[in-house]
Amino acid sequence: DGGITQSPKYLFRKEGQNVTLSCEQNLNHDAMYWYRQDPGQGLRLIYYSQIVNDFQKGDIAEGYSVSREKKESFPLTVTSAQKNPTAFYLCASSWGGGNTEAFFGQGTRLTVV
Amino acid sequence: DQQVKQNSPSLSVQEGRISILNCDYTNSMFDYFLWYKKYPAEGPTFLISISSIKDKNEDGRFTVFLNKSAKHLSLHIVPSQPGDSAVYFCAASSVSGGSNYKLTFGKGTLLTVNP
Repeated sequence: DGGITQSPKYLFRKEGQNVTLSCEQNLNHDAMYWYRQDPGQGLRLIYYSQIVNDFQKGDIAEGYSVSREKKESFPLTVTSAQKNPTAFYLCASSWGGGNTEAFFGQGTRLTVV
Repeated sequence: DQQVKQNSPSLSVQEGRISILNCDYTNSMFDYFLWYKKYPAEGPTFLISISSIKDKNEDGRFTVFLNKSAKHLSLHIVPSQPGDSAVYFCAASSVSGGSNYKLTFGKGTLLTVNP
C-alpha cells in the first residue's frame, strides 16, 4: 500500500522545546517537501529536498531544520527559534519538480502551549 | 506579496450545476499550474494540472482553463456533486525558470455543493 505517512497526527509541546515531525514515503519519489498551513492561508513551503543528502530552504525556513539521510524519510524539526510554531504541517513527495503531481500526507497538527 | 491569488474565499452552488473556481497569478515565469482539493484535517489531493503551452485540460467532470495574457486560470466542475465540497487550492510553478520544485499556492476557495 504505497503512500506518504506523517506521524503523529496531533502533537503538543511546551514553548521552548524542539520537536521533530516524521514523514515517510514508500513511493520511491526523489523529491520531498514540507509545507505549513495556517487558518485562512494557503500552503507555504518550508523546505524541500530534490534528492538524498540535499535540501533547500523554501519561503519560510527560519526556525526549522530538516535532514534527508534516506530517500524514504524527510523529518522536520521545529526549533525553539520558530516564533509561531502552532500550525498544520504537511509533508509531500513527488517524482520530480513542480510539473509533477505531489502526493501529500495526512498532516500533523502541532500545538505549542 | 501574493503571487497566486484566489480572491473568492468561498463559493456555494447547487448540486448538478457548474462550479467555477478562479485563480489569478502575477509571476509571468509561472508555466505550470495545478489544482488540489483538500478536506478538513487531511492532506491535499491532486486534481488536475495544465501547462502554459495549453489553454485547456479536461479530466472527467473537471476542466481547467488557462488565459496566459490575463494571467488567469479557472477550474470548472460539471456537474457539481455534494462530495465535491472541499477547499480547492490553485498552485503554480516555474519549470522553465528553474524553480520547478517550488510550488506557490493560493489561499484556497471553500466550495460547498448543496443537495
